[in-house]
Amino acid sequence: DADVTQTPRNRITKTGKRIMLECSQTKGHDRMYWYRQDPGLGLRLIYYSFDVKDINKGEISDGYSVSRQAQAKFSLSLESAIPNQTALYFCATSTRGGEQFFGPGTRLTVL
Amino acid sequence: QKEVEQDPGPLSVPEGAIVSLNCTYSNSAFQYFMWYRQYSRKGPELLMYTYSSGNKEDGRFTAQVDKSSKYISLFIRDSQPSDSATYLCAMSALSDKVIFGPGTSLSVIP
Repeated sequence: DADVTQTPRNRITKTGKRIMLECSQTKGHDRMYWYRQDPGLGLRLIYYSFDVKDINKGEISDGYSVSRQAQAKFSLSLESAIPNQTALYFCATSTRGGEQFFGPGTRLTVL
Repeated sequence: QKEVEQDPGPLSVPEGAIVSLNCTYSNSAFQYFMWYRQYSRKGPELLMYTYSSGNKEDGRFTAQVDKSSKYISLFIRDSQPSDSATYLCAMSALSDKVIFGPGTSLSVIP
């Protein structure tokens, strides 16, 4: 089984809808991250969490919120989706100072 | 100026060629330097991880870090079609947030 899983893998939604992307990990890592990837812009950090009680904004957090339900679960929400949030979203986990392990990604399209 | 700059390519080379991928950065606090490989429709996976300046070799891959020039490189020897992917440089300071470059798309032609 994959160490970092994301659901759904693909989602098409309409402007104004609320969307939740979920991430689960079995690696036992404390640190979890949400990134979005856009062509030419690379991976940009949306939110990160260093433990269950720690949530931090990344460089592009506007329009997004997160919830760390447990050490193994980290969800990303778009309260009111807009077309420029169309992107590939990745969840990642790490230990302190260790490599980041990425999930397979969620392709989100907002019409 | 972006914190991390990387030529997006695309880069196309014949099989067997030596490939050089490069990144420059502006934050002198970066101490940890990484290269990730991302195949199409997959998440990035760590290829090389180095601390501070110097070289690190792993099979056909060599990572170089020159902190004085704020420049890092990844060399791929005897490139193979299976090396075709997007390569992302990444770096962090004191094991904090990781900043990624935009990635270079590489195609190795048989």
